[in-house]
Amino acid sequence: DTAVSQTPKYLVTQMGNDKSIKCEQNLGHDTMYWYKQDSKKFLKIMFSYNNKELIINETVPNRFSPKSPDKAHLNLHINSLELGDSAVYFCASGRAGDSGNTIYFGEGSWLTVV
Amino acid sequence: GQQVMQIPQYQHVQEGEDFTTYCNSSTTLSNIQWYKQRPGGHPVFLIQLVKSGEVKKQKRLTFQFGEAKKNSSLHITATQTTDVGTYFCAGRGFGNEKLTFGTGTRLTIIP
Repeated sequence: DTAVSQTPKYLVTQMGNDKSIKCEQNLGHDTMYWYKQDSKKFLKIMFSYNNKELIINETVPNRFSPKSPDKAHLNLHINSLELGDSAVYFCASGRAGDSGNTIYFGEGSWLTVV
Repeated sequence: GQQVMQIPQYQHVQEGEDFTTYCNSSTTLSNIQWYKQRPGGHPVFLIQLVKSGEVKKQKRLTFQFGEAKKNSSLHITATQTTDVGTYFCAGRGFGNEKLTFGTGTRLTIIP
């Protein structure tokens, strides 16, 4: 019944590895997002997809590659992980074209790079 | 680009005291939203303000949107331990899909 679900919830991995985080929403929204929250709790948007099309791409290293197979899914693949990638990654969804749309967040994926 | 700052960054209050967090945008906003994130949790939508000077209340929480639509505040009356968490404002510009989150205010309550 979870509206926005992401897996895994916790991920500990070594530097240099490649990892993926998956996200699915069952709210019928057409826009999905990835946010990164660092240790200071700053919440920064990374990517936004609308109907599988990339619409927001903030200044993010190209080691990060989002993939949206359909509008209910937005996965995040990270290559060559670095220590600074350690953070909580939140997937979220909302409705495009609605200037007041609420964003619904997943529970987060805690990534620790060692 | 649009920047949204919040002050204070941290606030520790005795249970029962009031709490206020302030949000300031570098640009005029079409609307502003507020979210609450409990420790270890994810941000959850609280409210949206759209009109200049708008004031909305949710029980002990009062939200205001500035006349110039560049600032906002959240005031909690008589805090309780359940109010613990980080409060984020998030602003959207005109004709802009992106919701820019503020820097957050982390509230801790001393019982």
